[in-house]
Amino acid sequence: DQQVKQNSPSLSVQEGRISILNCDYTNSMFDYFLWYKKYPAEGPTFLISISSIKDKNEDGRFTVFLNKSAKHLSLHIVPSQPGDSAVYFCAASDVSGGSNYKLTFGKGTLLTVNP
Amino acid sequence: EAGVTQFPSHSVIEKGQTVTLRCDPISGHDNLYWYRRVMGKEIKFLLHFVKESKQDESGMPNNRFLAERTGGTYSTLKVQPAELEDSGVYFCASSRETGDEQFFGPGTRLTVL
Repeated sequence: DQQVKQNSPSLSVQEGRISILNCDYTNSMFDYFLWYKKYPAEGPTFLISISSIKDKNEDGRFTVFLNKSAKHLSLHIVPSQPGDSAVYFCAASDVSGGSNYKLTFGKGTLLTVNP
Repeated sequence: EAGVTQFPSHSVIEKGQTVTLRCDPISGHDNLYWYRRVMGKEIKFLLHFVKESKQDESGMPNNRFLAERTGGTYSTLKVQPAELEDSGVYFCASSRETGDEQFFGPGTRLTVL
């Protein structure tokens, strides 16, 4: 039973345009959400996170939006660059329940940014 | 500062054999985690160490898997005997404090034939 879902296995965008990666979750206990980026033959690298008390968090070209009522979050990359091409994983944890160490991941979305 | 390292990077074994994976966390990181990604599926939590103590091993698939972290430094994950469904990429991660950002190693790709 998947608790974090990334329904798009892949996404292709043009350099300079916006990339929007989506993620849905089913466990209402999740209150902290993260995005990780993964290049081939490397481990996932933390990108950006958001707590459930916020609905937006921004870091440079990366913005994460959280819609708690819809149990949906998205990662926006603007402008997209070819170096952003990677697999992006959405992850969640239950901080207030004491499981802040246990990350539940989605299957990932392969983003390809074309020059 | 050196990152999380894992050895070997690849391992190919036959069903029924034993394999031991090793993880060296970032120096000073008391927390160590093991995750696994089976082909086409999500990355799944296996267990969490704080120093040498297992805090949560709820994600371990069955008793063919044994994780240790003697001395609270590096950790090993042994699979004995290996089955076909154990194939996947095993990631190790570490963090300084519980709940801090987790830094992942490059993973060990295990193939069981």
